[in-house]
Amino acid sequence: NAGVTQTPKFRILKIGQSMTLQCTQDMNHNYMYWYRQDPGMGLKLIYYSVGAGITDKGEVPNGYNVSRSTTEDFPLRLELAAPSQTSVYFCASRSGGYDEQYFGPGTRLTVT
Amino acid sequence: AQTVTQSQPEMSVQEAETVTLSCTYDTSENNYYLFWYKQPPSRQMILVIRQEAYKQQNATENRFSVNFQKAAKSFSLKISDSQLGDTAMYFCAFISGTYKYIFGTGTRLKVLA
Repeated sequence: NAGVTQTPKFRILKIGQSMTLQCTQDMNHNYMYWYRQDPGMGLKLIYYSVGAGITDKGEVPNGYNVSRSTTEDFPLRLELAAPSQTSVYFCASRSGGYDEQYFGPGTRLTVT
Repeated sequence: AQTVTQSQPEMSVQEAETVTLSCTYDTSENNYYLFWYKQPPSRQMILVIRQEAYKQQNATENRFSVNFQKAAKSFSLKISDSQLGDTAMYFCAFISGTYKYIFGTGTRLKVLA
């Protein structure tokens, strides 16, 4: 099983550029999450989804957008990149209830 | 508000020794789960152990065990016979009836040869 996959692994953006971070899971999980992890820090929730067509904001949604048109995919869009968005981004999914989250390998994004 | 606190930013332990990482949480919920995740230098988040709040028995997974004190809202992780591969960032996490996990800020553990 591939689990949760994320692309790209690394990306450098210039200030003001936009990009989409891709996340796909093959476990038929309903719940999907986007987190950011700043250096030496914990995880902060950006957006989450409880199923296709349903998304909601987490702690730090400003500057980001998401969509969930299928169960498998949960892309994260960065509009007008800023240096404050330099971080490692993790996508995660879980089936429901109190199940564990399964994490992707992360995308390291640098905005200069 | 639900919170998770890890008060030890960094710890070190000699190989083969035992170390305990602390975690406290705050919630008014009665049903919830607690988790410890490990993040090695590869950045991949890996589940170490989980504890159901309704279970009094402490969870154990090989060299990893927890000390779950529900009344004190404490959930510490004990690593026995520490190995070099245990060097990682460890995160305590909580989930209740909402869809969202609450993560602590992490404890960086270094196992010394």
